[in-house]
Amino acid sequence: NAGVTQTPKFQVLKTGQSMTLQCAQDMNHEYMSWYRQDPGMGLRLIHYSVGAGITDQGEVPNGYNVSRSTTEDFPLRLLSAAPSQTSVYFCASSPDEGHQPQHFGDGTRLSIL
Amino acid sequence: DAKTTQPPSMDCAEGRAANLPCNHSTISGNEYVYWYRQIHSQGPQYIIHGLKNNETNEMASLIITEDRKSSTLILPHATLRDTAVYYCIVLEDSNYQLIWGAGTKLIIKP
Repeated sequence: NAGVTQTPKFQVLKTGQSMTLQCAQDMNHEYMSWYRQDPGMGLRLIHYSVGAGITDQGEVPNGYNVSRSTTEDFPLRLLSAAPSQTSVYFCASSPDEGHQPQHFGDGTRLSIL
Repeated sequence: DAKTTQPPSMDCAEGRAANLPCNHSTISGNEYVYWYRQIHSQGPQYIIHGLKNNETNEMASLIITEDRKSSTLILPHATLRDTAVYYCIVLEDSNYQLIWGAGTKLIIKP
């Protein structure tokens, strides 16, 4: 039982490049979400999904796209990377969107030059 | 914005109880209080949550005041591995989103 798996762990991009951050969970959780964490700060919600085929915006969605074609996978796409998107990105999942604890991956550390 | 207020840092001696306070004076009647922690830069780890009654699990105890405007997370016998940033979060009842503050950096000293 791997839990929440994020790949890659580290990535360096040039401004304007695009890329996809992968997130997969093997717990059959309906709710999945993406956060970013800047130095010394708490997490901020980017996008979330309450089930396959359903996504919605969080607090800081601009510059990011998501899709949820399967229950297991929830990729995050950076359309045109900007230095302001340099951050640590965490994916999380929980059984549903209600009062259930979220399980987090180990994060992707992304630097935009 | 986060609906909680926590001290930025605290120290605790190894083997002693660590008591981490949190103020959430604007909490609504159906909103839960959650605690997570983050060790180094790892992914956050769930600790405990509660609504109005005190809660205990294998990791910690959560004491919520009767008026629900504040709570305390208790780690009964702190170890060096408990050094982490601890986040107190009110789960918003309208959209079930976790709004994170800056947390409390807890340092356990030998």
